[in-house]
Amino acid sequence: SQQGEEDPQALSIQEGENATMNCSYKTSINNLQWYRQNSGRGLVHLILIRSNEREKHSGRLRVTLDTSKKSSSLLITASRAADTASYFCATETSGTYKYIFGTGTRLKVLA
Amino acid sequence: EAGVVQSPRYKIIEKKQPVAFWCNPISGHNTLYWYRQNLGQGPELLIRYENEEAVDDSQLPKDRFSAERLKGVDSTLKIQPAELGDSAVYLCASSQRGTGGNEQFFGPGTRLTVL
Repeated sequence: SQQGEEDPQALSIQEGENATMNCSYKTSINNLQWYRQNSGRGLVHLILIRSNEREKHSGRLRVTLDTSKKSSSLLITASRAADTASYFCATETSGTYKYIFGTGTRLKVLA
Repeated sequence: EAGVVQSPRYKIIEKKQPVAFWCNPISGHNTLYWYRQNLGQGPELLIRYENEEAVDDSQLPKDRFSAERLKGVDSTLKIQPAELGDSAVYLCASSQRGTGGNEQFFGPGTRLTVL
């Protein structure tokens, strides 16, 4: 079964706009990662945030983590058509090395 | 540096037939994962290896699925016999165990269709 749930399930925006997607999970975690999947490159790691971190940046990506609410958000700024993909959060359950993926957000960026 | 290699990329079989998937992880990565991804869903872990030891196979349907990772490098995932519900993409990933979490590198996957 999948622990994380992404919200929204699908998102369509214009190029240049920002895209925000959220991830909720159920148990205590060691860290949370975001992955991107498109047909051309498969699943690719984007960013990792540890449970003791609240915010992290990487290029046009900004990730926040609220462990009290068991939620994370991924912000993509100044989106491009190439950002069109499905985005998944993956949580590493505390005390294990097991990663559980969410259900994904399908992002479409219109040129 | 070569990424995770999987073969075949596509496989179509009749139900009740056996099928096998092969994975070659990134050199030096001691952790290997097999995931199954159904259409419109995220990957679900089937089995995780640390070197040649299967440390988490709780999600592997052991009545029909088996896996091995001989010598702690390549791995094979087998289904026998296949059922219609096994149609999915089977993903292999590898990582280098380290502190503070680890990035998983995924292969392109094998798309299985069971008729």
